[in-house]
Amino acid sequence: SAVISQKPSRDICQRGTSLTIQCQVDSQVTMMFWYRQQPGQSLTLIATANQGSEATYESGFVIDKFPISRPNLTFSTLTVSNMSPEDSSIYLCSVDADGYTFGSGTRLTVV
Amino acid sequence: DQQVKQNSPSLSVQEGRISILNCDYTNSMFDYFLWYKKYPAEGPTFLISISSIKDKNEDGRFTVFLNKSAKHLSLHIVPSQPGDSAVYFCAALNSGGYQKVTFGTGTKLQVIP
Repeated sequence: SAVISQKPSRDICQRGTSLTIQCQVDSQVTMMFWYRQQPGQSLTLIATANQGSEATYESGFVIDKFPISRPNLTFSTLTVSNMSPEDSSIYLCSVDADGYTFGSGTRLTVV
Repeated sequence: DQQVKQNSPSLSVQEGRISILNCDYTNSMFDYFLWYKKYPAEGPTFLISISSIKDKNEDGRFTVFLNKSAKHLSLHIVPSQPGDSAVYFCAALNSGGYQKVTFGTGTKLQVIP
């Protein structure tokens, strides 16, 4: 099964700054997904990262706030820009392999 | 609009007994369903899935049942073990469409030794 390495595992950031989260897969995958899990909530899809083209964002999420890169079939980054305390969440990447495998997540706290 | 619903936020079961976690969905286009287990500080781990062409899928202690007419599925864990204590998410997608996975709100299972 695919193995996903997600970094950082956690971070505490000042409001107004940006954080880039990395997701590395040990095999080539067609689709990579970025999710957010706010405290006490379900997982919500932010966007689908497409290799060689712009990411596809879900309703309520915009590229200026959550820019995504997908330079190849094994790697993607999600940036959370101009952070506010409301962005405090767990951010997870996922790939379409073995039942949509997930990374271990990045726990972000914005102070 | 919550298209995948898990109406029980928590469930407590004695070790060795059966755990039954329920999930309802509203979108008739969903044709593939997944269950995930999530421990604190970890990402969700895929457990078992079922296609809409089946009504049951079994993997060891885990069995998923699908009732398409009722738009309902359930996960049975038999026998339950303390290590099963976690949050369980039901998820669904339209396999022929956009591949977007929609998650339920989760059920926290506690297995009491």
